[in-house]
Amino acid sequence: ILNVEQSPQSLHVQEGDSTNFTCSFPSSNFYALHWYRWETAKSPEALFVMTLNGDEKKKGRISATLNTKEGYSYLYIKGSQPEDSATYLCAFIGTNAGGTSYGKLTFGQGTILTVHP
Amino acid sequence: DGGITQSPKYLFRKEGQNVTLSCEQNLNHDAMYWYRQDPGQGLRLIYYSQIVNDFQKGDIAEGYSVSREKKESFPLTVTSAQKNPTAFYLCASSPYAGTFQPQHFGDGTRLSIL
Repeated sequence: ILNVEQSPQSLHVQEGDSTNFTCSFPSSNFYALHWYRWETAKSPEALFVMTLNGDEKKKGRISATLNTKEGYSYLYIKGSQPEDSATYLCAFIGTNAGGTSYGKLTFGQGTILTVHP
Repeated sequence: DGGITQSPKYLFRKEGQNVTLSCEQNLNHDAMYWYRQDPGQGLRLIYYSQIVNDFQKGDIAEGYSVSREKKESFPLTVTSAQKNPTAFYLCASSPYAGTFQPQHFGDGTRLSIL
């Protein structure tokens, strides 16, 4: 079973603070990394799909970077707002020895972000 | 609206009973997945299906069974062999397996043992 770790486990910030958290994953047999946001009582929603080493993606105040050689991705939120409060999940997709992926996601345990007004 | 519908939202099971969780999608996706979430843990893959009439075990398949007779439907049965079935279950789909496309999720079913 693959090891995908997220840190910190939870985070409390004040409105307007910028924050970031980390996803660590195996540095071999990489295919893709997904980031999802999961708000309470809703379904997880995709933020980013990252595929290439050095990728940087941005959506509004949220951005992510990817380093496949060392096996980590950072998610940044600039100027946090209370509506950013959610659990942020990363999910690693690897390949088999033949280089084929079957879209099997291995999730980290998530980072719970609470933004206080 | 296109999406994934899971039912019921809450389900209670007596010891020794099998129960079936429903998952339907109208996104025309080929691949479908079942995950389980326990407190403090990430989502873990139970079963997945890349195409109709085909499915594979995930990381924690013991005590579960699935079928994929229609493209839109991927029901999960929690059998009496599953020793600790109390958990939150999520169903997901993607256009096809092995894709860079993100997965789409349902709202989940919370299963509890009476």
